[in-house]
Amino acid sequence: IAGITQAPTSQILAAGRRMTLRCTQDMRHNAMYWYRQDLGLGLRLIHYSNTAGTTGKGEVPDGYSVSRANTDDFPLTLASAVPSQTSVYFCASSDLRTDTQYFGPGTRLTVL
Amino acid sequence: SQQGEEDPQALSIQEGENATMNCSYKTSINNLQWYRQNSGRGLVHLILIRSNEREKHSGRLRVTLDTSKKSSSLLITASRAADTASYFCATDRGGYQKVTFGTGTKLQVIP
Repeated sequence: IAGITQAPTSQILAAGRRMTLRCTQDMRHNAMYWYRQDLGLGLRLIHYSNTAGTTGKGEVPDGYSVSRANTDDFPLTLASAVPSQTSVYFCASSDLRTDTQYFGPGTRLTVL
Repeated sequence: SQQGEEDPQALSIQEGENATMNCSYKTSINNLQWYRQNSGRGLVHLILIRSNEREKHSGRLRVTLDTSKKSSSLLITASRAADTASYFCATDRGGYQKVTFGTGTKLQVIP
């Protein structure tokens, strides 16, 4: 692995179903983030984690949860998906020293 | 709410011309970053300029920052068709949750 990987690449989901988007990084970055990207709204932060074992809420956290059991993995869970959660989801990580964020390729999620 | 707003929303130029994109923001920042996104891909970091810097260069990229006007510009010189992408500014007010992205400028470079 080089950088950040996300899975799945895309998913169509029925409303009410539970879904976990996976994110793994191999750069040993402390901080990780989940964003959603919607047309005309840019990227909005859902949740973040400064270090393993800690998480925090971003701008649009409702309906989403995260966990950070270790440095490399930062899964995002939709407990009961709704159509307004249709979006492209990006995971990112950053190094404390550089402030630069590195992004995964994204997951395109459609909730019907 | 968006901290940074890019202008213009879309820009179409001929190959070889320069492209200028602007970003305005509302509150004090530690640094400002520019990212690029190719269609269907994740964002890629281009350049970071700190609040005490006024200008920075990286290859064909030139970024300026005017903290008194709360604005930044990204200049791409001698554009190429491969520069076609969306460009986003991201303002960092300090703290991991305080990086905010704008809505982006969609650049099309016509060969």
